[in-house]
Amino acid sequence: KAGVTQTPRYLIKTRGQQVTLSCSPISGHRSVSWYQQTPGQGLQFLFEYFSETQRNKGNFPGRFSGRQFSNSRSEMNVSTLELGDSALYLCASSLGYTSYEQYFGPGTRLTVT
Amino acid sequence: AQSVAQPEDQVNVAEGNPLTVKCTYSVSGNPYLFWYVQYPNRGLQFLLKYITGDNLVKGSYGFEAEFNKSQTSFHLKKPSALVSDSALYFCAVRDGGSSGGSYIPTFGRGTSLIVHP
Repeated sequence: KAGVTQTPRYLIKTRGQQVTLSCSPISGHRSVSWYQQTPGQGLQFLFEYFSETQRNKGNFPGRFSGRQFSNSRSEMNVSTLELGDSALYLCASSLGYTSYEQYFGPGTRLTVT
Repeated sequence: AQSVAQPEDQVNVAEGNPLTVKCTYSVSGNPYLFWYVQYPNRGLQFLLKYITGDNLVKGSYGFEAEFNKSQTSFHLKKPSALVSDSALYFCAVRDGGSSGGSYIPTFGRGTSLIVHP
């Protein structure tokens, strides 16, 4: 089975712009989660989708949003980018949520200048 | 509030010796506990999990972890370390939801394991 794929792998944006990141889960996985990883804050949960519905949401401002499509693919959007949004954004998929282990993609490295 | 603590930023061990990476947690309800490993320039990989049942859980690459409810710990162990085990290890917890807790997964800050030849 193919693993979790994320596009693009690297992105450079300017403050104030918006960005959309994409994630394709493992075939058959219906849950997709997004995380922000930074050296200072570690791995922080953004949100989780299951069957196109947001099931859980982390403590991030409304500039961070996401959605999931009927084929389980997911996108996350960050509007009005700030310098502090520079991070590695990880997508993870799983069969379900709560008790299921997650399978992570390689991440999208976002740099905001 | 739900939390995970990995008290050691770095663990050093000689190849062939046993290793332990520590994790303690705090949740309102029943804990769902996970260990993941991140190799350099690679994504996180699932190692093992505890949901219910036997307190000793066996996972990938010879790793195991022991769930201790009274000490709220879930330490990762391996009887004989390999140089190739050198990586960043993350402990994570989810609330099983039995006490109105959050389903949000919380990750520890990570522990860098360095295995010396």
